[in-house]
Amino acid sequence: KAGVTQTPRYLIKTRGQQVTLSCSPISGHRSVSWYQQTPGQGLQFLFEYFSETQRNKGNFPGRFSGRQFSNSRSEMNVSTLELGDSALYLCASSLEVHEQFFGPGTRLTVL
Amino acid sequence: GENVEQHPSTLSVQEGDSAVIKCTYSDSASNYFPWYKQELGKRPQLIIDIRSNVGEKKDQRIAVTLNKTAKHFSLHITETQPEDSAVYFCAAGRSGGSYIPTFGRGTSLIVHP
Repeated sequence: KAGVTQTPRYLIKTRGQQVTLSCSPISGHRSVSWYQQTPGQGLQFLFEYFSETQRNKGNFPGRFSGRQFSNSRSEMNVSTLELGDSALYLCASSLEVHEQFFGPGTRLTVL
Repeated sequence: GENVEQHPSTLSVQEGDSAVIKCTYSDSASNYFPWYKQELGKRPQLIIDIRSNVGEKKDQRIAVTLNKTAKHFSLHITETQPEDSAVYFCAAGRSGGSYIPTFGRGTSLIVHP
């Protein structure tokens, strides 16, 4: 089976712009979770989608949003980018919830 | 909310030695505890997990122990090899549809040949 894929792998944006990241889960996996990884804060949970519905949400502002399509592919969007949004954004898929398989991540740099 | 503390932040061992990484959690309702290995520039990979109805789990050179009363769990790696060098993260959360994992800050394990 192909692993979790994320596009793009690298992205450079400027403050105030918005960005959309994409995640394709392992075939058959219905749960997709998103995480932000930074040197200062470590790995932090953003949200989780299951069957096109946001099931869980972490403590991030409303500028961070996401969605899931009927084929389980997921996107996350960050609006009005701030310098502090520079991070590695990881998505993870799982059949149900727990055994999560991570994608390679999207490295976002905000200038 | 849940709070996970992980120690040490850096661990340096000689090849063949054992390594132990410890995590404590605060939410007594947490019942799922995974461990991830992240090599430099790569994605985190689940290496072992444990649920609160089990006290210990082993997989070859890796083992995890859980003490629910004290709210701590540990990763044990025996006969370490240079390829074990990586950052290891613990996490804790409630299983089921409300799974929101909280991660430790990571331990950088360095295995010297």
